[in-house]
Amino acid sequence: AQSVTQPDIHITVSEGASLELRCNYSYGATPYLFWYVQSPGQGLQLLLKYFSGDTLVQGIKGFEAEFKRSQSSFNLRKPSVHWSDAAEYFCAVGPLSKAAGNKLTFGGGTRVLVKP
Amino acid sequence: DSGVTQTPKHLITATGQRVTLRCSPRSGDLSVYWYQQSLDQGLQFLIQYYNGEERAKGNILERFSAQQFPDLHSELNLSSLELGDSALYFCASSVPRGGTDTQYFGPGTRLTVL
Repeated sequence: AQSVTQPDIHITVSEGASLELRCNYSYGATPYLFWYVQSPGQGLQLLLKYFSGDTLVQGIKGFEAEFKRSQSSFNLRKPSVHWSDAAEYFCAVGPLSKAAGNKLTFGGGTRVLVKP
Repeated sequence: DSGVTQTPKHLITATGQRVTLRCSPRSGDLSVYWYQQSLDQGLQFLIQYYNGEERAKGNILERFSAQQFPDLHSELNLSSLELGDSALYFCASSVPRGGTDTQYFGPGTRLTVL
């Protein structure tokens, strides 16, 4: 069964500092990979996705993520965080085979706090 | 704004009651998914419909059911509600005709069972 691990439950970062959120997955093949962000009281917004090709993907709001097959990881990064980046971030994996449906399996989330 | 709409935004009800959550997918999307977000279980997949037919089922309780109508909107019915059903319920949609399987989420319905 597929699973997603986000090892860091909370991360506190100073405004202007860099941010890296870790995501490790367990799956039989290369899955679809996603990062979503959930601001307080809001729904889930897609930041970026990886299906195939270039392993460094760019997303919205200045975020990027790198897929590393050898480490089964898909870490999210931002060079300089803004106070508005305070939110909860979720990594998710989806299957390649549509025959089994297309459900997403989510990690437990990482809550990011931004210090002024 | 993802283009996925959910109503109502908030729902407060009592144990034993039945409620219906509604979702309208993005224009042209054929798949609708339901997820539950709770403090103890995190984000969990409940069920998927594709063009009116059930496609996949996750950890959905027998007290819960869903359907997708010909106009592609979907409803999630929760019955015999228990305190533990209090959660945020998300709907997502994907698969425009000829498109890729990226799921876009609605704002959610927060259900509180008292």
